[in-house]
Formats: sequence, C-alpha cells, structure tokens
Amino acid sequence: DGGITQSPKYLFRKEGQNVTLSCEQNLNHDAMYWYRQDPGQGLRLIYYSQIVNDFQKGDIAEGYSVSREKKESFPLTVTSAQKNPTAFYLCASSRAGGENQPQHFGDGTRLSIL
Amino acid sequence: AQKVTQAQTEISVVEKEDVTLDCVYETRDTTYYLFWYKQPPSGELVFLIRRNSFDEQNEISGRYSWNFQKSTSSFNFTITASQVVDSAVYFCALSEVGLKAAGNKLTFGGGTRVLVKP
Repeated sequence: DGGITQSPKYLFRKEGQNVTLSCEQNLNHDAMYWYRQDPGQGLRLIYYSQIVNDFQKGDIAEGYSVSREKKESFPLTVTSAQKNPTAFYLCASSRAGGENQPQHFGDGTRLSIL
Repeated sequence: AQKVTQAQTEISVVEKEDVTLDCVYETRDTTYYLFWYKQPPSGELVFLIRRNSFDEQNEISGRYSWNFQKSTSSFNFTITASQVVDSAVYFCALSEVGLKAAGNKLTFGGGTRVLVKP
C-alpha cells in the first residue's frame, strides 16, 4: 500500500546528542513536510521541501536540520541546539499543485529526553 | 499573519449525540483553502475534507457535515449520531497561498478533543 513511513516510533535522546528521524513516502509526492506537536497543541511547521535538493524553514526551524537527496526521503535531524526536543514529530507529503492539495501524514515519532 | 482558532479544547458526549466543532480563521488572502483532519489515538492525521474560499456550499458525507461561512470566517464541523470510534482530536487548518510550485503551507488550529462515551 502507498503511504508514509516514519521510524522509529519512539526515540530517546541524551543531552548533547543529535538524533535523526526517518521519513519515507512511496506516494510519488513532490512536497514533504515536518511538523512538531506538543501535548494539547496543534502542529507547527519545522521544515518543508517542494522538490529534491531544496527545502525551506518553517515557523520553528531553529535546532533542526533536514536534507532532501531523494524524492522519497526527507530525514529530520534534531540537533543538540534544540533545547526542548521532547515532542511528537509528524512527517507529511503532498502532490504538486499548490495550496489545494491535502497533506498525507505518517504515524509519527515520539521523541523524549533521557 | 494567518491564524486558526478552535476555541473548544475538549468535548465529551454520549454515543448517538450530535457534536459540532467550531473553527474560526483569519487571513488576508482572498483565495485560500480550509481543511479538517482527524487524529485518532494512534497518532497519524487523517484528511477529512477540503474547501476553497469560493465555495460556500455546505457539504455532507455520511455522518459528517461541514458549514462554511465566509462572512463570519468560520468552517464548522458536525458529527451526527456520534460513535465511540469518532473519539479523536480534530484539527482545522488553513492553507497559505504562495507556494505555487508544489505543496502548500498549512496553519493548524490547536485541535478539539472529542470523547464519545458508550
């Protein structure tokens, strides 16, 4: 089945450590996104990418980095500069075509501090 | 700046009751899209509906219905005859016009948790 796969489902980070969250899609979508969700709150955009080898900062990019070397993959690295990384991270993708395309989401990765 | 407000943080109903979720938005764009997503306990967001700013027709899909009123900047969502499986967090979202090449940038509301008791 086509969809978005995020891994791992749960991740623990030690102080000063960088961790990478994986996001793979087989929907042939051009655009991909990373969101952060804190308890009881909505989603906030971290980074997004419209095409391979190109990405833009979202509203809360500080302390995060991404790459888009392949159309199918959009990994997110949570760096040691992100002082409050504990959250639920959701990856999404959408077709090209502008603002009317719905985004499809993965199952999320829950990141906690050890 | 765009903003989406879902004033109800949590709604609790008994099965078979109707429940209406409010969504109010702010935008300077004349053309925009509104979305509703459902987030069940498993965590992923499930797309429910999309509505563009020029289409104010209400829509019904099974037990779900949506009331879009541009004059009051509202896009409310009603679940009729609720069921336990409807228990989830529901998000309203607004798209930002500008990313013409691909994709869209969404502004989400804070979500409304719906708890349907048997």
